[in-house]
Amino acid sequence: IVMTQSPDSLAVSLGERATINCKSSQSVFHSSNNVNYLAWYQQKPGQPPKLLVYWASTRNSGVPDRFSGSGSGTDFTLVISSLQAEDVAVYYCQQYHSPPTWTFGQGTKVEI
Amino acid sequence: EVQLVESGGGLVQPGGSLRLSCAASGFAFSSYAMGWVRQAPGKGLEWMSTISTSGSNVYYADSVKGRFTISRDNSKDTLYLQMSSLRAEDTALYYCTGLVPGLGAFNLWGQGTMVTV
Repeated sequence: IVMTQSPDSLAVSLGERATINCKSSQSVFHSSNNVNYLAWYQQKPGQPPKLLVYWASTRNSGVPDRFSGSGSGTDFTLVISSLQAEDVAVYYCQQYHSPPTWTFGQGTKVEI
Repeated sequence: EVQLVESGGGLVQPGGSLRLSCAASGFAFSSYAMGWVRQAPGKGLEWMSTISTSGSNVYYADSVKGRFTISRDNSKDTLYLQMSSLRAEDTALYYCTGLVPGLGAFNLWGQGTMVTV
């Protein structure tokens, strides 16, 4: 499975909306439990990635509600509703597919 | 405090071997599947391997299958990655990761250990 993010980078003004897209070459929907195994991560310079969203739209504990994930099947979106200075980072999507494999997108760099 | 602390990285010649360790603390290690994700300098994230909670099931990326071996010792709360036949393209920061079974995502991350081939 190949995960393709767009754009590769984007610059957004403070307080404005940032939208990142992720497309999977195969569906990540598991009909056995009605779950899209699609996750989003934020990686700031010099830090490990941090899980933001899992199951396509469930925010991880402690993640601000300005981050939201959506989508199903092969097309997914991460939206930062009002960009803050601390949101400058590279964002990655990641899918889980059976037989167990995990694949990351190439990353999207978000700047002010 | 939840912690994953990797060790064992370093400089190795092509064809050589290295064993990475990851010491876990602050959470129920035996309840988490564990894995390794690497990141080459200036590049993106690449999943390497995952091991089930008991260690009975292991999974590898094609790029390392047959060369890397993942294992865990639940009595020591420690994860391992034995790397052999190392190549220049294995040069990367190797992150230890934890997954809650069923999540499909890595919710725990260490700071990483650098491997240079």
